[in-house]
Parts: sequence; C-alpha cells; structure tokens
Amino acid sequence: GQQVMQIPQYQHVQEGEDFTTYCNSSTTLSNIQWYKQRPGGHPVFLIQLVKSGEVKKQKRLTFQFGEAKKNSSLHITATQTTDVGTYFCVTTSGTYKYIFGTGTRLKVLA
Amino acid sequence: SAVISQKPSRDICQRGTSLTIQCQVDSQVTMMFWYRQQPGQSLTLIATANQGSEATYESGFVIDKFPISRPNLTFSTLTVSNMSPEDSSIYLCSVEDPGTGAFFGQGTRLTVV
Repeated sequence: GQQVMQIPQYQHVQEGEDFTTYCNSSTTLSNIQWYKQRPGGHPVFLIQLVKSGEVKKQKRLTFQFGEAKKNSSLHITATQTTDVGTYFCVTTSGTYKYIFGTGTRLKVLA
Repeated sequence: SAVISQKPSRDICQRGTSLTIQCQVDSQVTMMFWYRQQPGQSLTLIATANQGSEATYESGFVIDKFPISRPNLTFSTLTVSNMSPEDSSIYLCSVEDPGTGAFFGQGTRLTVV
C-alpha cells in the first residue's frame, strides 16, 4: 500500500533554532495535510496543501508541497518550547482514507 | 469544526477481557474512523464506520477482534476483544471535515496486563 516516510524520526533543537521535517512518497500525492500531536494529546490539523509547488505560512510555520507532488516539508522558524510534539504529514487514498506519515518527534530545549 | 467526546480516556484491563470505547460527535457525520497508535508509532486506520452498514476494516484488522457499532450519525463504539498485552495502544476516533482535515477524539490509552 501507499507509504509516506518522514525524516528525521527525532529532532532535538535549542530554543530559537529552526526545524524542518520532510515528507516523501514514491507515488504522486493528491494532497498533503500536516498535523501536530502534543505529548499525551491527539493529532490536531494544521494545514492542507493541494497544488504543485504550493507554499503556505502560519506565523513561524512554513509548509511546502513539492513540484512533483511527491514530497512536502514543514519548517519552523525560531522554535519555542510550545512547538514540542510529533508532526505528521498525512495524505488521502481514495476519497476518505487517511494515510499517516511516520512522524517526526520534536524536542525543544530551553 | 467538530467536537468529539471519547471515553474512557484510559483504562487498565486484564488480558482476555474486552473493552468498549465510545465516541460522540456534536454533529451528524456520514463516516467515523477508528485508529490505533502503538507506543511511539504513527496512526494506523483500523476501520471506517458507516451508519446503517457494516464497518469496513483495513488489512490486518478483523471484525471479531474489533467489532464496531454505528447506531446513528453521531455515535460509534469500538470494542477491543479478548485483549492481550499487544493491544496496549492509544485508540482514537475521528471524523473528517472537508477542507479542514480530520478531527480526533482525545484518545483512549489502553494498557493490557
């Protein structure tokens, strides 16, 4: 079945440093969504990208969808302790089935 | 946005027993989804619950082990049957809101001893 890999699996950064997680698929993606799961919490929707080469920003977060629609990235500028959590990219298969990426666990050291 | 109430939030169960997890949504939805998240892992879809029909299970998950009910458009249950320690996971229910992604319940943290 379709798989979506994320790298890195873990990342520890000092507060104030930047952070990027990458999402890769061997097949073309119809769309990509990003979610954040705080420790002990449930995934929370951040954004959806649909168009080739699309870039969206939310404050310190920048999301990109690759030109070939096979990869995506999430970049956080100047991380804060509130950014701690696991970030998942998610795509859809068919009309409704969500396929979660492997996730990147971010730790921010104060 | 949808608000989902899931319970119990956590439980510790004896092996061989069953646990039923409930999810209540504050609006009517066609499909509800059940996921499993094993410790330190990503989410895996167990099944899709449609009102008025049998649930659709993903590869590796069977109805005898994870029976699902969907009596109306706002409620669903997932039962984890004949539990073993390998079933220790977080179980999450979810609904989709087109254009704004999926909303999740708070999750049920299950430990089987």
